[in-house]
Amino acid sequence: AQKVTQAQTEISVVEKEDVTLDCVYETRDTTYYLFWYKQPPSGELVFLIRRNSFDEQNEISGRYSWNFQKSTSSFNFTITASQVVDSAVYFCALLNNNDMRFGAGTRLTVKP
Amino acid sequence: DTAVSQTPKYLVTQMGNDKSIKCEQNLGHDTMYWYKQDSKKFLKIMFSYNNKELIINETVPNRFSPKSPDKAHLNLHINSLELGDSAVYFCASSQGPPGLPGEQYFGPGTRLTVT
Repeated sequence: AQKVTQAQTEISVVEKEDVTLDCVYETRDTTYYLFWYKQPPSGELVFLIRRNSFDEQNEISGRYSWNFQKSTSSFNFTITASQVVDSAVYFCALLNNNDMRFGAGTRLTVKP
Repeated sequence: DTAVSQTPKYLVTQMGNDKSIKCEQNLGHDTMYWYKQDSKKFLKIMFSYNNKELIINETVPNRFSPKSPDKAHLNLHINSLELGDSAVYFCASSQGPPGLPGEQYFGPGTRLTVT
């Protein structure tokens, strides 16, 4: 069975701190895709990234970076120099064989 | 110009009714999706669809059905509404085949309340 675990329910940091959101997944398949989404307090959903299981290169996009490690079945998300606008709920998701599972989300609060 | 729009934004209705939520995208994308977010913020993909293929999450009751009059629209029809259908429903679109979301653009969501 597939499963995504975001063990951190809530994280609070002060602006400019770095923060890492953890995502651990379970799947028996060798081909799968991993995603991160952001949901700000306004409620909309924002797609952040998609990675496939054959590409373990870390990804960096501005202050955002993602660390994919198959050995530990993790796809962690780091925000460098956090800002108040980063405050949101972040969801990790796993897709394979048309079955998509979401983690429960991590609520990040960045205080000024 | 809104990329993905949904109507209505809020929908309050009684149990047993049939309702529809409309979704339109002006991005020229091939594939559209419906997601459900329940009161505990849990997210679930319900459908992914293009003009050739519909992928249904097997956990979705058959009271829910997507209807696509054309490539730019994917409406969600719900029959015999139940209290547990209360949630926020998000429409999204992306390029590429259904079942493999690429960069997705989401609508603002429709909050459905069933009383």
